[in-house]
Amino acid sequence: DSGVTQTPKHLITATGQRVTLRCSPRSGDLSVYWYQQSLDQGLQFLIQYYNGEERAKGNILERFSAQQFPDLHSELNLSSLELGDSALYFCASSVGGLTGEQYFGPGTRLTVT
Amino acid sequence: GESVGLHLPTLSVQEGDNSIINCAYSNSASDYFIWYKQESGKGPQFIIDIRSNMDKRQGQRVTVLLNKTVKHLSLQIAATQPGDSAVYFCAERFGQGNLIFGKGTKLSVKP
Repeated sequence: DSGVTQTPKHLITATGQRVTLRCSPRSGDLSVYWYQQSLDQGLQFLIQYYNGEERAKGNILERFSAQQFPDLHSELNLSSLELGDSALYFCASSVGGLTGEQYFGPGTRLTVT
Repeated sequence: GESVGLHLPTLSVQEGDNSIINCAYSNSASDYFIWYKQESGKGPQFIIDIRSNMDKRQGQRVTVLLNKTVKHLSLQIAATQPGDSAVYFCAERFGQGNLIFGKGTKLSVKP
């Protein structure tokens, strides 16, 4: 158990809909990262937050957004969902703002039908 | 469990043998590298890391080798066990940038 929690574990929704994925980092970790993992891709970095502020952006679509709250939990919002958004979404956390050792959560499996 | 990839390179080894998983990284200026293990249905788990000023680092049953000349990273697992069966990812970082993950290699251990 990494100490990072993600909810929900599974999510099934229809195209065009909007969903919110939630992540609680390990106690004491200030950085949260979001990744997308689809069947034909490796782990694709989406976005990083550090202590409430956006730190870095990766291959995140404009339809996706995220935020980190004062209690350091984070939410990833996915809107206008398409079939191609079906994937595993992982959250990871680390102590500092650099991307050293990251601790990954169990992931949320999103299926868009 | 859930599949993380349909077309991953696969390494099949006999239980008790040593395994070597290879990774070619992309940026010659990358200064930090990590190996992650991902079991079916779980998130990636940190195994070992190495900085670019080193060429070898050892952990418990694992060794990472770094060859900067050819931008190559390898993970050696000694006395491979069935519990080592998983997908292994290498990741690289350049400066303050974020980690870039490789596609992964699936390790299958035969009893």
